[in-house]
Amino acid sequence: SQQGEEDPQALSIQEGENATMNCSYKTSINNLQWYRQNSGRGLVHLILIRSNEREKHSGRLRVTLDTSKKSSSLLITASRAADTASYFCATEGKTSYDKVIFGPGTSLSVIP
Amino acid sequence: NAGVTQTPKFQVLKTGQSMTLQCAQDMNHNSMYWYRQDPGMGLRLIYYSASEGTTDKGEVPNGYNVSRLNKREFSLRLESAAPSQTSVYFCASSIRTYSNTGELFFGEGSRLTVL
Repeated sequence: SQQGEEDPQALSIQEGENATMNCSYKTSINNLQWYRQNSGRGLVHLILIRSNEREKHSGRLRVTLDTSKKSSSLLITASRAADTASYFCATEGKTSYDKVIFGPGTSLSVIP
Repeated sequence: NAGVTQTPKFQVLKTGQSMTLQCAQDMNHNSMYWYRQDPGMGLRLIYYSASEGTTDKGEVPNGYNVSRLNKREFSLRLESAAPSQTSVYFCASSIRTYSNTGELFFGEGSRLTVL
C-alpha cells in the first residue's frame, strides 16, 4: 500500500490555537497533497507539495515534507471555528503516475 | 462554472440490482477518478483514468467496472450491487503537468444504499 497513517485521528482545540496534523506514507512519491472536507461535502484542495520541496505556505497553512522520513505535516495557525473539518493527505507514487491515494484523515474540531 | 458533476446524488438499490454512476467535468482535465468513502474513513480509490481510452484499477476495484466515454465523462457501474457497496462515491478530475498530477477537483458525491 502506498499510503500510511494520519496522526492524530481526531484533534480538538480552542479557537486561536494552532493545529498540527501529520501524514506518513510508505513508498517514494512525486507529490503530496492536503485536502479538507466539511461534513457531507466533497473534498477541497488546500496545498500540493512536490517531492523536491521541503516547505510551502498558503495563508494560515504551512506544509512540510520530509522525504527521508516519508512524512508530512500540516499546520493551521490561529485556528477558527470555520476550520472545523476533516483533513486528508494524498500521495501520487513515483512509479504509479496518476494513482492518487488518500490517508484515513484527521478530524479537527475548533471550539469557539 | 460547473466543475465536476455527479449523478445521481442519492440512490437506493436492492441486492443484485445494477446501476451506473455518471460523472462529467468541464475543465478539460485528462485524469479522472472514482473513490468511495465509508463512515469515518478516508477515500479509497476504485478506478482511475489517466486519459481518454485508458482505465486502471485502484485499491478496491472488485465489483465495479468503469468506462471513460470521452475526455469529459467517466462512469462507474455496479453490475450486481451488494450491501458492502453501500457508501458515498466521489468522482474527481485533475490535469497532469509534465511530471506530476495536479490538484484533484471533486464532485459533491453520490450516496448509494444497497439493501
